[in-house]
Amino acid sequence: KNEVEQSPQNLTAQEGEFITINCSYSVGISALHWLQQHPGGGIVSLFMLSSGKKKHGRLIATINIQEKHSSLHITASHPRDSAVYICAVRDNYGQNFVFGPGTRLSVLP
Amino acid sequence: DSGVTQTPKHLITATGQRVTLRCSPRSGDLSVYWYQQSLDQGLQFLIQYYNGEERAKGNILERFSAQQFPDLHSELNLSSLELGDSALYFCASSEGAFSGYGYTFGSGTRLTVV
Repeated sequence: KNEVEQSPQNLTAQEGEFITINCSYSVGISALHWLQQHPGGGIVSLFMLSSGKKKHGRLIATINIQEKHSSLHITASHPRDSAVYICAVRDNYGQNFVFGPGTRLSVLP
Repeated sequence: DSGVTQTPKHLITATGQRVTLRCSPRSGDLSVYWYQQSLDQGLQFLIQYYNGEERAKGNILERFSAQQFPDLHSELNLSSLELGDSALYFCASSEGAFSGYGYTFGSGTRLTVV
């Protein structure tokens, strides 16, 4: 079993839809990160979470430490949201990072 | 422009060779992180430096080494290159040792080993 799993692997949505991407992990963590990788390869750090919920524009990230689960929500999705979304966790000692396999999102106009 | 500068953008080299990748962090950031992204293994964390000192180590091979200089730029040295080292190498920076405020990523160096 991989330490960090994401679902779904691929997601196609229509513009305007509400999107949820899930991340579950099996190790103790000090923080969880959500990253966005654009089709050209560039990576943007979206959120760093250690508890609760964060919001930035149309993006919302939540984490449930007890259930070892995080979700990334995109409201009113837009074609420019098309990217690979990657969940990453940093271990309890603040040492290693482990990355999920990514969720490829395509938002159609 | 994210503020994190990586050079070169592309590098093609032969097996057995040694290369150096360079990263200049965003102004004011003291931490530099190196990551490798290959098609078969996804993103992997290699190493973190904070204010010149090694702070955390991930899945970095012994053939690879890094350092952070007094001006805070960092270099990743890859030696005895193998075909499997072909990948995108990303650098990221953050303000502190623990990335409480998130990271800023560079645009990456694409290394091709032939």
